[in-house]
Amino acid sequence: DAKTTQPPSMDCAEGRAANLPCNHSTISGNEYVYWYRQIHSQGPQYIIHGLKNNETNEMASLIITEDRKSSTLILPHATLRDTAVYYCIVRSTSNFGNEKLTFGTGTRLTIIP
Amino acid sequence: KAGVTQTPRYLIKTRGQQVTLSCSPISGHRSVSWYQQTPGQGLQFLFEYFSETQRNKGNFPGRFSGRQFSNSRSEMNVSTLELGDSALYLCASSPTVVGRVYNEQFFGPGTRLTVL
Repeated sequence: DAKTTQPPSMDCAEGRAANLPCNHSTISGNEYVYWYRQIHSQGPQYIIHGLKNNETNEMASLIITEDRKSSTLILPHATLRDTAVYYCIVRSTSNFGNEKLTFGTGTRLTIIP
Repeated sequence: KAGVTQTPRYLIKTRGQQVTLSCSPISGHRSVSWYQQTPGQGLQFLFEYFSETQRNKGNFPGRFSGRQFSNSRSEMNVSTLELGDSALYLCASSPTVVGRVYNEQFFGPGTRLTVL
């Protein structure tokens, strides 16, 4: 699985959009970008994933650059409950028998009231 | 549906003892994975079980073992505990749908183990 690089920490004002970047310059053609987050003292929570097209769900949007070497997770209207560590993970298409996730150090996002 | 449950939530043991942690996956999920989280090493994959068989294993010593029962519930065991085994142990279940691009993992709240 390709390595990812994320800033260690970020702040965002409550109600504003939080944009979390992730670099994955060695990503290969069959690797997806996934985002999980971990709120303090809880298990990680899946947010979104994508291959090359931008994706949106009820939690967030994922913007992947055309060369796929970086991506941005967008929380459109951040709330205090979005304070968490956000993990960007790159892994190949799930083949039956490989559910392993390789977590990096993530970005600690703090939402400021 | 009920989420992934882990028991106990907190545990204190002393060096040299052994410990067994339990995980009940979401109903219908057949894959269960275990992770260790420490401040120094972050989240690290321990192993994954599917249909009572270990499919993947991380880079941990043999003191760490696990098993899965026919109802998909899983246990992990750590023998001869060391101080460095103090960590949050997380369990995740996945529906593992064949042919699906990605099978989301649902994590439990974890068991916090303290080794004294």
